[in-house]
Amino acid sequence: SAVISQKPSRDICQRGTSLTIQCQVDSQVTMMFWYRQQPGQSLTLIATANQGSEATYESGFVIDKFPISRPNLTFSTLTVSNMSPEDSSIYLCSVTGTGGVTGELFFGEGSRLTVL
Amino acid sequence: EDQVTQSPEALRLQEGESSSLNCSYTVSGLRGLFWYRQDPGKGPEFLFTLYSAGEEKEKERLKATLTKKESFLHITAPKPEDSATYLCAVPGYSSASKIIFGSGTRLSIRP
Repeated sequence: SAVISQKPSRDICQRGTSLTIQCQVDSQVTMMFWYRQQPGQSLTLIATANQGSEATYESGFVIDKFPISRPNLTFSTLTVSNMSPEDSSIYLCSVTGTGGVTGELFFGEGSRLTVL
Repeated sequence: EDQVTQSPEALRLQEGESSSLNCSYTVSGLRGLFWYRQDPGKGPEFLFTLYSAGEEKEKERLKATLTKKESFLHITAPKPEDSATYLCAVPGYSSASKIIFGSGTRLSIRP
């Protein structure tokens, strides 16, 4: 298993500002994933963050809007830039399990952002 | 395009009233189907992986089954603590590390 801590747990932000979300894992992991969960919706993968290389972004998500850092094997940040009300969502960090079980992801508790 | 559809969107049951949640999928070569539970204000929690049609997995009052086109999550004699959103997911075709989630079924169990 993996224990994932995210900060902040929630925040209220003004339009046009940027916010950085931190994700700390209690063990070293190769890949970390950032998901978005819009109100009443399911999870959508934003990007995959590998240590030592640039993040890989999914269709519809770009680095200028969601820059990601991965300085080491236990930590990552996601920045939501130039926010608009449409960015109001829960942002979740996740990692794969180490037990080799296909599809087993561990998630942080999420960062709930409200953009006014 | 890989797709996962869950039904119903919401389900309210009386404690002890058994039922099933449905997950239908269209993927190019299934490499596993996953079930997660998500409580309000929390990240999803992994429950099961099913690999092939006919496979079943059980955990307490939950049993997941898989056919070639859909999966069911059967809930037997549920308790209020089973109330949660249940998510179904599959690995993406382009990359197995990309997990595609369905929109979920919000399950509410009344005491």
